Amino acid sequence: AQTVTQSQPEMSVQEAETVTLSCTYDTSESDYYLFWYKQPPSRQMILVIRQEAYKQQNATENRFSVNFQKAAKSFSLKISDSQLGDAAMYFCAYRWGDKIIFGKGTRLHILP
Amino acid sequence: DSGVTQTPKHLITATGQRVTLRCSPRSGDLSVYWYQQSLDQGLQFLIQYYNGEERAKGNILERFSAQQFPDLHSELNLSSLELGDSALYFCASSPGLATHTDTQYFGPGTRLTVL
Repeated sequence: AQTVTQSQPEMSVQEAETVTLSCTYDTSESDYYLFWYKQPPSRQMILVIRQEAYKQQNATENRFSVNFQKAAKSFSLKISDSQLGDAAMYFCAYRWGDKIIFGKGTRLHILP
Repeated sequence: DSGVTQTPKHLITATGQRVTLRCSPRSGDLSVYWYQQSLDQGLQFLIQYYNGEERAKGNILERFSAQQFPDLHSELNLSSLELGDSALYFCASSPGLATHTDTQYFGPGTRLTVL
């Protein structure tokens, strides 16, 4: 069965610094999608970045980038130049066909 | 703002009651998904509709049901409510059939409290 694991329940980073959130997953499929979602205190789920498993190039969206290691089944999120508005819960998600599975999340604190 | 709207924002009710949560997808999106987020279970996929038809089922209880109407809005019905049903219920929408390329956009959620 597919699983998604976020091993860091909480993390803190100084404002303007860089932080990396970890995510590992388990699947026997070869064609799937991976996502990072952000859930700020407003509780809305916001798509941060998406990675197609067939693409070797790591996805990037402004200050957000991923390190996708398909063989290792690892999908970490790097946030550069951290800002106070980045404080939120971050969820890693795996999608294959109709199935979507979320990790339990990492709470990110930004220290001013 | 994702473009997905959900009503109501908050709902407080008693055990044994029935409630209906409403979701309007982004303009042009045909797929609607429902999720439950509770403290101990994390984010769980409940059910998906595509253009009015049920497309996929996740961990949805028999006491729960959903439908998608011709105007593409969706409703999630929760009946015989129990204390454990207290959670945040999210709706998400995506452009088309649940293919690998679809990205889901989440609404702000409905907070359900069962007393």
